[in-house]
Amino acid sequence: ETGVTQTPRHLVMGMTNKKSLKCEQHLGHNAMYWYKQSAKKPLELMFVYNFKEQTENNSVPSRFSPECPNSSHLFLHLHTLQPEDSALYLCASSHPDTQYFGPGTRLTVL
Amino acid sequence: EDQVTQSPEALRLQEGESSSLNCSYTVSGLRGLFWYRQDPGKGPEFLFTLYSAGEEKEKERLKATLTKKESFLHITAPKPEDSATYLCAAPYNFNKFYFGSGTKLNVKP
Repeated sequence: ETGVTQTPRHLVMGMTNKKSLKCEQHLGHNAMYWYKQSAKKPLELMFVYNFKEQTENNSVPSRFSPECPNSSHLFLHLHTLQPEDSALYLCASSHPDTQYFGPGTRLTVL
Repeated sequence: EDQVTQSPEALRLQEGESSSLNCSYTVSGLRGLFWYRQDPGKGPEFLFTLYSAGEEKEKERLKATLTKKESFLHITAPKPEDSATYLCAAPYNFNKFYFGSGTKLNVKP
């Protein structure tokens, strides 16, 4: 257990659904991240938050909407996704340079 | 162009057969080189951080080393439970990281 938790662990949704992924860290870190991991591809950075402020949006489509209400919680709101969005979504936190990852949410878009 | 490259992409070993994984990097002003282990369907698990050339760190059958251009993850007498994908990463700018594509290690009993 790394101190970074993610829920749900598995999610199946239709293209018209709206769902949210949740990440929580109890490590006292100030930076939080969303990554996408598809089969046989490197980790793709999606969003970075520092002290609750978004500092990076790596050209992510607007159907992914992040929210960081405080430095311990991070959400990823999903709507009208495409089948190619099916992947493992990983949350991480860091301080200062070492990242710790959550277990991920396996998302399947039908 | 800054990047992190890992080789080989996949490695199959017999139990007890030692080998090394490579991570080459071209990142300006390197602030550390990180190794992670990732099991299928799970998040990467932090293993080591190396900060300067010549530094070495060990954990059980794993030893990570760093030169000015690359890092190696040496696996001594591996066991089937060492099977996983090993990722390396380097930070850049502020709070951002380059990740390699990983080496998928399969250790056969």
